[in-house]
Amino acid sequence: TAGITQAPTSQILAAGRSMTLRCTQDMRHNAMYWYRQDLGLGLRLIHYSNTAGTTGKGEVPDGYSVSRANTDDFPLTLASAVPSQTSVYFCASSASEVNEQFFGPGTRLTVL
Amino acid sequence: GQNIDQPTEMTATEGAIVQINCTYQTSGFNGLFWYQQHAGEAPTFLSYNVLDGLEEKGRFSSFLSRSKGYSYLLLKELQMKDSASYLCAVSSGTYKYIFGTGTRLKVLA
Repeated sequence: TAGITQAPTSQILAAGRSMTLRCTQDMRHNAMYWYRQDLGLGLRLIHYSNTAGTTGKGEVPDGYSVSRANTDDFPLTLASAVPSQTSVYFCASSASEVNEQFFGPGTRLTVL
Repeated sequence: GQNIDQPTEMTATEGAIVQINCTYQTSGFNGLFWYQQHAGEAPTFLSYNVLDGLEEKGRFSSFLSRSKGYSYLLLKELQMKDSASYLCAVSSGTYKYIFGTGTRLKVLA
């Protein structure tokens, strides 16, 4: 079982360009999440979805958008990237909000 | 505001016992999670506490006191592979999670 996958593994992006980070899970989990992890700041929740068709804002949603067209996929889009969005991005999923989260391998994004 | 505090770094010797503390102040509480994260890798789940008391799982145990806003992760019989960061996280509301900045544990031979 693949679990949860992310693509790309890493990316260098020019400021002002758009980018979509992909996330797919095969565990049929209802909930999915996007986090960014920065040195000294820990993991911060960007957006979440508790079921297909529904999304919500986390702690740091500005500059990011998500969609949840089906159970398996939860893409994260940066419409116009800025250098402060340089980070490692983790996608995660869980069966419910009181179950453990399973994390993807991460995408390392550098915005220049 | 919402806040989770844990020590930045700890060092222990192989075979020893180490306790990693976590204190939290959040607007809501639906449970506390501990995750392990090796350098360059994704976090992996270790434990979950929602009621006061101790949860034991092999070499790892986690304790929660909701009235004190306090938890600890206890690692016994330390091994070199336990060198990693340990993340404390609180479910503070509906699908809202607050993570601490993590405790980097170094296990020395």
